[in-house]
Amino acid sequence: EAQVTQNPRYLITVTGKKLTVTCSQNMNHEYMSWYRQDPGLGLRQIYYSMNVEVTDKGDVPEGYKVSRKEKRNFPLILESPSPNQTSLYFCASSREGSGNQPQHFGDGTRLSIL
Amino acid sequence: AQSVTQLDSHVSVSEGTPVLLRCNYSSSYSPSLFWYVQHPNKGLQLLLKYTSAATLVKGINGFEAEFKKSETSFHLTKPSAHMSDAAEYFCVVSGTWGGSYIPTFGRGTSLIVHP
Repeated sequence: EAQVTQNPRYLITVTGKKLTVTCSQNMNHEYMSWYRQDPGLGLRQIYYSMNVEVTDKGDVPEGYKVSRKEKRNFPLILESPSPNQTSLYFCASSREGSGNQPQHFGDGTRLSIL
Repeated sequence: AQSVTQLDSHVSVSEGTPVLLRCNYSSSYSPSLFWYVQHPNKGLQLLLKYTSAATLVKGINGFEAEFKKSETSFHLTKPSAHMSDAAEYFCVVSGTWGGSYIPTFGRGTSLIVHP
């Protein structure tokens, strides 16, 4: 089954404790991205990757890091989480980053930073 | 370079009545437009997409949308609402500029369906 898998689904942690949210897709997609969803704001893109070893900032990259060492994986790293990063996070992938391809989304990771 | 406005944050309908979710966009280029649906505790699922082919686009679950360039709109409709349609809906405009691809999401419309 074609899918985007995020882990963990839920995480409660404390300020400053480094965390990583993993994302993996099994569709051999070139393009992957991370979003955060906050009430009333829709989804905002954090980082995206057009292909292996190619990453770039989205609209709200501050406080986040990503890497794309393999085509299927695109982890999101919070080096020193802060309470304003409490949010619902989604990973997504598409066949290519041409703009006219639909994205496939994971089920989300709800992060709470205390 | 691009923006999208979903004109209603909430839409309430009775089961069996038509659904209209409104979306206006702006873009410096010929955009691709999408509608996604999000059910509680789930990721977004593609409903339909417009990519410069037919202006009337049919999607899954009986939804369709019409691209109107003169009005810069891409409204989502369904003739008869089902209880299972209750969810959050997002309109998305996207394109590629200078090798970068950053889709822009609307803030979402919550569809409420009454029995």
